Amino acid sequence: QQQVKQSPQSLIVQKGGIPIINCAYENTAFDYFPWYQQFPGKGPALLIAIRPDVSEKKEGRFTISFNKSAKQFSLHIMDSQPGDSATYFCAARKGGSEKLVFGKGTKLTVNP
Amino acid sequence: EAGVVQSPRYKIIEKKQPVAFWCNPISGHNTLYWYRQNLGQGPELLIRYENEEAVDDSQLPKDRFSAERLKGVDSTLKIQPAELGDSAVYLCASSYRQGTRSYEQFFGPGTRLTVL
Repeated sequence: QQQVKQSPQSLIVQKGGIPIINCAYENTAFDYFPWYQQFPGKGPALLIAIRPDVSEKKEGRFTISFNKSAKQFSLHIMDSQPGDSATYFCAARKGGSEKLVFGKGTKLTVNP
Repeated sequence: EAGVVQSPRYKIIEKKQPVAFWCNPISGHNTLYWYRQNLGQGPELLIRYENEEAVDDSQLPKDRFSAERLKGVDSTLKIQPAELGDSAVYLCASSYRQGTRSYEQFFGPGTRLTVL
């Protein structure tokens, strides 16, 4: 049973576009929702994270939108650049737990 | 500051052979994680250590996988014997935990294992 469902599997945008990656979860015990960025041959790196007491968090060109009632959250990348081409993973963690549950990932390609 | 170091970066073995992966976490990090990442999937936790103690190994296939973290620093993950389905990237991560507060997990580059 997949606890965090991520879509789309892949995404291609032009430079300057705003790719949006979506995730949905079922377990209401999750209280921490990070997004990771992974380049080929590298480990995932934390990009931005949100807790369910806020509906939006912005860091630079990256924004998380969070809908607690729908149990969904999404990543928006403003003014996307070719250097943003990577695989993005959403994840979730229960309160009091260290265990991160990851989505399957979205491979983003930003064309010049 | 050095990040999480893993070795080897790549390993190709025949099935039924043993294999071991090594991880050196970020200095001062007391929590260490081993994840497995299958092709096209997100990482899945295999085992988590707090200092020397394995506090979550529920996802570790104990019939063939073993891990240790001697002296609460470096860690080794072993597979014996390896099976074709073990082909994956094995990621190590570390973080600092103080009481009930956990800080960001930092991942190493991983070891890509191919079992033939």
